[in-house]
Amino acid sequence: GAGVSQSPSNKVTEKGKDVELRCDPISGHTALYWYRQSLGQGLEFLIYFQGNSAPDKSGLPSDRFSAERTGGSVSTLTIQRTQQEDSAVYLCASSVGQGGTEAFFGQGTRLTVV
Amino acid sequence: GENVEQHPSTLSVQEGDSAVIKCTYSDSASNYFPWYKQELGKRPQLIIDIRSNVGEKKDQRIAVTLNKTAKHFSLHITETQPEDSAVYFCAAWGSSASKIIFGSGTRLSIRP
Repeated sequence: GAGVSQSPSNKVTEKGKDVELRCDPISGHTALYWYRQSLGQGLEFLIYFQGNSAPDKSGLPSDRFSAERTGGSVSTLTIQRTQQEDSAVYLCASSVGQGGTEAFFGQGTRLTVV
Repeated sequence: GENVEQHPSTLSVQEGDSAVIKCTYSDSASNYFPWYKQELGKRPQLIIDIRSNVGEKKDQRIAVTLNKTAKHFSLHITETQPEDSAVYFCAAWGSSASKIIFGSGTRLSIRP
């Protein structure tokens, strides 16, 4: 595709339910990043993929959060047993190579836990 | 761990004046420093970047300077215009971290 695509754009879920957020990076981009942005706040690093492997999972807030990437392309971020504090915009970005190049962001998924 | 600090958190300048945003980084191995602009409700987009082998880079009204010794870098916007109003994020990437770490952001407002 022309850019990084995320789905869904918006997700409202009940507390305690599991959610899956999807990121489709730019074709050929080997690096993929997930960030979380709470209302009016900065970009909190969650996890980074190089190809299918995740060398750095240090930003995942708890064991309720997990992510995978298959085929070096699409990535899914899963949040189990959602809590109200998980409400935020989840942004995905991809870049060519391991780093030191422009990261292109998707439009984000706005998650609301009620 | 790796950290990027950004100041100020908010900045208001008169249209036509200059704006300066400053960042410091902790990882001495960092060698790529992008700046992103995020307009309300939109995704962050790259506006300029600089690598560690360069001290300054300019693109029209925007310039970035880098001081590797002091581990700080700055964004300069001259002749500010209403469309410059947005949140600006600095970031740093280094081979030891292999991830892009962002500053906390600066909300820039341009007064007419």
